[in-house]
Amino acid sequence: QVQLVQSGAEVKKPGASVKVSCKASGYPFTSYPISWVRQAPGQGLEWVGWISAYNGNTNYAQNLQGRVTMTTDTSTSTAYMELRSLRSDDTAVYYCARAYHIILLPAANPPCYYMDVWGKGTTVTVSS
Amino acid sequence: DIQMTQSPSSLSASVRDRVTITCRASQSIGSYLNWYQQKPVKAPKLLIYAASSLQSGVPSRFSGSGSGTDFTLTISSLQPEDFATYYCQQSYSTPWTFGQGTKVEIK
Repeated sequence: QVQLVQSGAEVKKPGASVKVSCKASGYPFTSYPISWVRQAPGQGLEWVGWISAYNGNTNYAQNLQGRVTMTTDTSTSTAYMELRSLRSDDTAVYYCARAYHIILLPAANPPCYYMDVWGKGTTVTVSS
Repeated sequence: DIQMTQSPSSLSASVRDRVTITCRASQSIGSYLNWYQQKPVKAPKLLIYAASSLQSGVPSRFSGSGSGTDFTLTISSLQPEDFATYYCQQSYSTPWTFGQGTKVEIK
């Protein structure tokens, strides 16, 4: 079955970096982008960005530009999200999700993406 | 960025009640609207995509409607397992944005 398995919880000090992995299985990895979403304690969902598993193109949330890098390793069907210069407000659960899509008629429309399969989440705690 | 506003932020309802959650976009997003359900300490689960398409495996008591700026998620007969937080999300343009969530609690 289609699944995304994420790496384990991390505890980091302010200013450090963290790299979270997301290993995909059960589908052609390069066929769909991987999106990352985070959720601070007691808060709502925040989109972090996405990466095309086909060509590595990325799109990041502007508030994280310069601190976040998403990559993929197609040989292992794994996506990675690295966040640098960590701050206390980066403390959150980080989810990866497959970005599936359909075409909305007329066919000239851009595809409608939606996150249909999610990893269980990786807790990143930033604390001195 | 497109702002997504859900209402209400929370509601109390009883089993078998009909529940409606609304989501408004700050600009027209066509049908590029998805709905997710999240239970405590669990990952979100896709319910509805493209405003009104039911994700495979999701019970038919869930339905979505709307286009443009106004959207609705309806649970026709609330079940015990439906008590959760619901989020709308637009994929019309990046950054993808979520509503603030609607928590559905037991009355």
